[in-house]
Amino acid sequence: LAKTTQPISMDSYEGQEVNITCSHNNIATNDYITWYQQFPSQGPRFIIQGYKTKVTNEVASLFIPADRKSSTLSLPRVSLSDTAVYYCLVGERYSTLTFGKGTMLLVSP
Amino acid sequence: ETGVTQTPRHLVMGMTNKKSLKCEQHLGHNAMYWYKQSAKKPLELMFVYSLEERVENNSVPSRFSPECPNSSHLFLHLHTLQPEDSALYLCASSQGTSVPYEQYFGPGTRLTVT
Repeated sequence: LAKTTQPISMDSYEGQEVNITCSHNNIATNDYITWYQQFPSQGPRFIIQGYKTKVTNEVASLFIPADRKSSTLSLPRVSLSDTAVYYCLVGERYSTLTFGKGTMLLVSP
Repeated sequence: ETGVTQTPRHLVMGMTNKKSLKCEQHLGHNAMYWYKQSAKKPLELMFVYSLEERVENNSVPSRFSPECPNSSHLFLHLHTLQPEDSALYLCASSQGTSVPYEQYFGPGTRLTVT
């Protein structure tokens, strides 16, 4: 199972772009990279998922370099409501994806 | 609203009680999951039910008993719980258990064991 490493916490201000990097040195060939967002006392929310290069949706972008040993979640122009814990997971089956401690993002006015 | 509902949202029970948590998904998915999130701990996968696989985390005590009568409903039966079982119990669903299908979580049931 691929182990992931991401910062424990990050601080930002409203309107800024936030980039959260996740390291996954032993990612396997069939593994995808999945990011979730979680607010206190709520279930995680699927944000974005990718295999290689760049993926973009209405809320975020995911950058994956060619070696796939890391990935970066990019949140454009964050707001106070983006304050949450962000999880990076790597794997090919949800039954084996492991949630770590995630990155606590605090957005200030 | 993710299309996954859980009831009740809050539950307080004594150690000798028997209760059940219910999860229902309205997304047409064929895989459902139970997770446990204790205070300041990572989410822990408890059970997976799908057409492809059934997974039971061996570390989950037998006082937790899952039931999946069909692809839209998932139950977690609780009996003789301990105070350390107090946690947020989350249900999720997906179309198959393999990525890249998206996984959707319900709002959770906050369980307190007294």
